[in-house]
Amino acid sequence: NAGVTQTPKFRILKIGQSMTLQCTQDMNHNYMYWYRQDPGMGLKLIYYSVGAGITDKGEVPNGYNVSRSTTEDFPLRLELAAPSQTSVYFCASSVTGGLNQPQHFGDGTRLSIL
Amino acid sequence: QQQVKQSPQSLIVQKGGISIINCAYENTAFDYFPWYQQFPGKGPALLIAIRPDVSEKKEGRFTISFNKSAKQFSLHIMDSQPGDSATYFCAAIPSGTYKYIFGTGTRLKVLA
Repeated sequence: NAGVTQTPKFRILKIGQSMTLQCTQDMNHNYMYWYRQDPGMGLKLIYYSVGAGITDKGEVPNGYNVSRSTTEDFPLRLELAAPSQTSVYFCASSVTGGLNQPQHFGDGTRLSIL
Repeated sequence: QQQVKQSPQSLIVQKGGISIINCAYENTAFDYFPWYQQFPGKGPALLIAIRPDVSEKKEGRFTISFNKSAKQFSLHIMDSQPGDSATYFCAAIPSGTYKYIFGTGTRLKVLA
């Protein structure tokens, strides 16, 4: 079982460049999430989606955009990369938002912006 | 802003010892308190979780203790093993939402 798959695993960008972080899940989960993880800061929610065509901002959405055209895919777009966006990005999914529905995480994309 | 404070930041334990990680929250309206385990190069994975109407939950060597009046909850790892070496995150889910608020993480190293 693939679960949540993120690509690429590593990427170096120059300031001002743009890129899309890909996330796909094969568990038919309705809810999907994007987090960033900075050293000593835990995980911060960037954007989330409760189903295809529905997205909403999390705690730290500035500088990012998302779309959810299918149940499986939830790409994260960086339009103008800035050094502050250097981080490890995790995508996660859950069946629903229920309390006993764990979030399943991908293995992350490590992004450096120089 | 709702917060979950986690301590210690890092922890070194001898094999067979007890690892204890503590979290405290600042808002009473939380419905669920999961703990996630993360190995290097991997995403976090659910380890164990507790609801606020329960004071303790045990799954194998892992136990969550919850103190509602003190707004604190902790993870105890009994008979710690080198394979438990990982980063542990506590989290809390505010009432009426499904958005996790994560603690800052504890890096555990269990010495063989």
